[in-house]
Amino acid sequence: GNSVTQMEGPVTLSEEAFLTINCTYTATGYPSLFWYVQYPGEGLQLLLKATKADDKGSNKGFEATYRKETTSFHLEKGSVQVSDSAVYFCALSSGNTPLVFGKGTRLSVIA
Amino acid sequence: DAGITQSPRHKVTETGTPVTLRCHQTENHRYMYWYRQDPGHGLRLIHYSYGVKDTDKGEVSDGYSVSRSKTEDFLLTLESATSSQTSVYFCAISESNQGAYNEQFFGPGTRLTVL
Repeated sequence: GNSVTQMEGPVTLSEEAFLTINCTYTATGYPSLFWYVQYPGEGLQLLLKATKADDKGSNKGFEATYRKETTSFHLEKGSVQVSDSAVYFCALSSGNTPLVFGKGTRLSVIA
Repeated sequence: DAGITQSPRHKVTETGTPVTLRCHQTENHRYMYWYRQDPGHGLRLIHYSYGVKDTDKGEVSDGYSVSRSKTEDFLLTLESATSSQTSVYFCAISESNQGAYNEQFFGPGTRLTVL
C-alpha cells in the first residue's frame, strides 16, 4: 500500500541555519506529493506540492523536489527563522484514495 | 483561507456520554474528512465522505460514526465516549481525491477531553 516515512523529530536549529527534513514514499502509480505545515494551536495548511517527477514545489523560502528515482520529496530551506517553528507533514496522493500522511516532524528554531 | 469551521472548539465530557462534533464548509467541496491527531501517531483518518450520504471508513473508525445530510456539513459522533478518544479532531475538505486536486484544506480543530 501507499506510505510516507519522515525523519523523526524533533529538529532544533539556530536561526539562519539550513533545514532539511527527509521524506520518502512508497506508492503505486504516479503520486502527487505535498508538504503541510501546522503552527501551534492551528490546523494543517498546505506549504507546497509537486505533481510529477522532477517538479519542484516552493513557497515561503521552502523547496522540495519530486525525485522518482529515490522516491523522495525532501523539504529544504536555506535560512530558517523563529517563525518557522512548527510541525511539518509530508503526504502523498495516489489513485482515488485519501491523502496518506507521514507522522510529522517538529521543528524548533531558536534565536 | 478556505471556509471551514468546526464546533465546538473545545469540549470536556465524561466516559459513556455521546458526543457530536460538527464540521461546516462554505467551499462546496465534494470530499470531507475527519482525522484525529495524537502525540506519536501523527494524523489518522477516522472517516471520510465523497458526497451527501456517501461515507467510508478510515484506519481508526471503531467507536465513531459519521453522517452527511448536506454538502456543507459533516458530523462525527462518538456513540459512547471513552478516555482513549481524548484527542484533537480535525476536519478537512477537498475538491477531489485525485492527484493534485486531492489537496486538503483543514479546519482549526476541536480539542476533546473524555474524563
